[in-house]
Amino acid sequence: LAKTTQPISMDSYEGQEVNITCSHNNIATNDYITWYQQFPSQGPRFIIQGYKTKVTNEVASLFIPADRKSSTLSLPRVSLSDTAVYYCLVGYPKAAGNKLTFGGGTRVLVKP
Amino acid sequence: EPEVTQTPSHQVTQMGQEVILRCVPISNHLYFYWYRQILGQKVEFLVSFYNNEISEKSEIFDDQFSVERPDGSNFTLKIRSTKLEDSAMYFCASSEASVGKNIQYFGAGTRLSVL
Repeated sequence: LAKTTQPISMDSYEGQEVNITCSHNNIATNDYITWYQQFPSQGPRFIIQGYKTKVTNEVASLFIPADRKSSTLSLPRVSLSDTAVYYCLVGYPKAAGNKLTFGGGTRVLVKP
Repeated sequence: EPEVTQTPSHQVTQMGQEVILRCVPISNHLYFYWYRQILGQKVEFLVSFYNNEISEKSEIFDDQFSVERPDGSNFTLKIRSTKLEDSAMYFCASSEASVGKNIQYFGAGTRLSVL
């Protein structure tokens, strides 16, 4: 299982873009990168998943360089409600039923 | 949007008592999971369940724990004799059976307090 390293916490202000970088030096060829978000007293929520280059959805963008040893989750124009813990997970998601292994995540605090 | 629902939201119990945590997964999902999160710690995998049997379990999921799908909609986690260290948020999750997808949808959790 690829080990991931991400910052423990980040502060931002409303309207700014937040970029969270995750290192995963020993990512395997078949591994995908998945990000989840967890609000206080809530379960994790899927945000985005990618394998290489760039993926964008209505919530975020995920940038993955060619060597795939890191990835960056980008949250555009954050609001107070984006205050949460963001988890980077690396693994092979293509088999349904695989467990998710969460690390410590990055605690993002959005200030007014 | 379909969601995973969990009841109760908060369960208080005495040490040694049995508790049953209940979950209603998303209706067309076939894989079910339980995770727990002790206050201030990581989300930890407990067990996965498919086709009426356990697919995988962690070392946390010892003989005190059991899971069941008693009917077509509910998925339960039973702790036979609770300990103080079982106090945590327990999250149920479900995912589709499709090959190529393992996006897990989590419920809001049940906070278990063992006194």
